[in-house]
Formats: sequence, C-alpha cells, structure tokens
Amino acid sequence: KAGVTQTPRYLIKTRGQQVTLSCSPISGHRSVSWYQQTPGQGLQFLFEYFSETQRNKGNFPGRFSGRQFSNSRSEMNVSTLELGDSALYLCASSSQMTSGISTDTQYFGPGTRLTVL
Amino acid sequence: KQEVTQIPAALSVPEGENLVLNCSFTDSAIYNLQWFRQDPGKGLTSLLLIQSSQREQTSGRLNASLDKSSGRSTLYIAASQPGDSATYLCAVKAAGNKLTFGGGTRVLVKP
Repeated sequence: KAGVTQTPRYLIKTRGQQVTLSCSPISGHRSVSWYQQTPGQGLQFLFEYFSETQRNKGNFPGRFSGRQFSNSRSEMNVSTLELGDSALYLCASSSQMTSGISTDTQYFGPGTRLTVL
Repeated sequence: KQEVTQIPAALSVPEGENLVLNCSFTDSAIYNLQWFRQDPGKGLTSLLLIQSSQREQTSGRLNASLDKSSGRSTLYIAASQPGDSATYLCAVKAAGNKLTFGGGTRVLVKP
C-alpha cells in the first residue's frame, strides 16, 4: 500500500501570496489531519477532516483553511502569507471507520516545506 | 490544556548502549500515546502506539511503557546503532481527536 503523499514537497512564496498544499491519504483512510512544524513551536495541530467534514480545528488564524474531497484527498490553503508561516506542513491519515475518536495509528507524509520570503 | 514534555532535549550515546527516552504529559485523560521517529527534513515515522488501556508495546528492539496515572511514557531502544540517530517524538491523543506533541529528543549514536 502506498503511504501518505504530499505535494509539492518544497515551495517558495513571497509575503502576501497564497498557497495550496495537497495530501493524499493511504488508500481506505478517511481521516486526514494537518500539522505545522517550526523550530520554535514544534508540531502544532491545524485541523482534522473526516468524510469531507472538518471535525476539529487548532488555534490558527482564519488565513489557514482546508477541505477534504470525496476520495479523502485533502488540501490546505494559506492566504496572505506571512514570514512566520515558513514551516514544514505535515499531513497524517488514519484508518478509523467511525465518526468518533480515532484510536488508530496515524501515518504521516513526508511534508511540504514552505518558505515565505 | 494538555502539555507534553520530553527530557532530555538531546542525548548522545556510544553504539551498543541502551537508549531510554522519557515523555510526560499533564492530563491523564488520553486515548493513546504514540512514539515517532523523525529524520532531518523528513516526515514522521510511527514506531509504537500504546492504547490507554495498555501498559506497554514492543516491536523488535523497541519497547514503550505507559503509566497513565503518573502521566509518563518511556521508550527503550536496546543495543543502539548509528542508524537509530534521529529525533524521537511522543504524542498523546486526547479530546478533539488531535495529537499533542512533545518537543522531541534528538539522539546521536556514535559508532
């Protein structure tokens, strides 16, 4: 089975631009979560989707948004980029089959490295 | 608010020595705890998942214990190898169906 894939792997943008990152979960996985990793703040939860619905959202400004498609692929969008948005953005999927709390292993993709100049 | 701490932040050991990595969390109301490995510039690789009802999990040279009441987990890596050099992260899943991560322990195994 293929793992979680993320595209693009690297991205360079300038302040004020917007960006869209893509994540394809492991086949059959319906839950997709996004995390931001920076040297200063570590790994922080952005949001989680299950069956095209956002179930949980972390403490990030509204410039960060996401969506999930019927095939479970997910995208996250960051508008009006700031220098502080430079980070590694990680996507994770799990195989939970119900809408409750997932107790399954979360599998992470390789991440998208975003640099904002 | 759940907080996860990993001490030490960095660790250097000679090859062959056993590694002991610590993780503590403030709220014992967790669903599970997961240990990950991260190589520089890469994503996270899942190592072990311990459900809240379990005390330990083992996989090869890796063994992780969980003491929910005291808010602690320990990852043991037996007979360390240079290939074990990486950052090790623990994360707990609690309310909100999200993982809360510790800051990680950066491990260097010297040949």
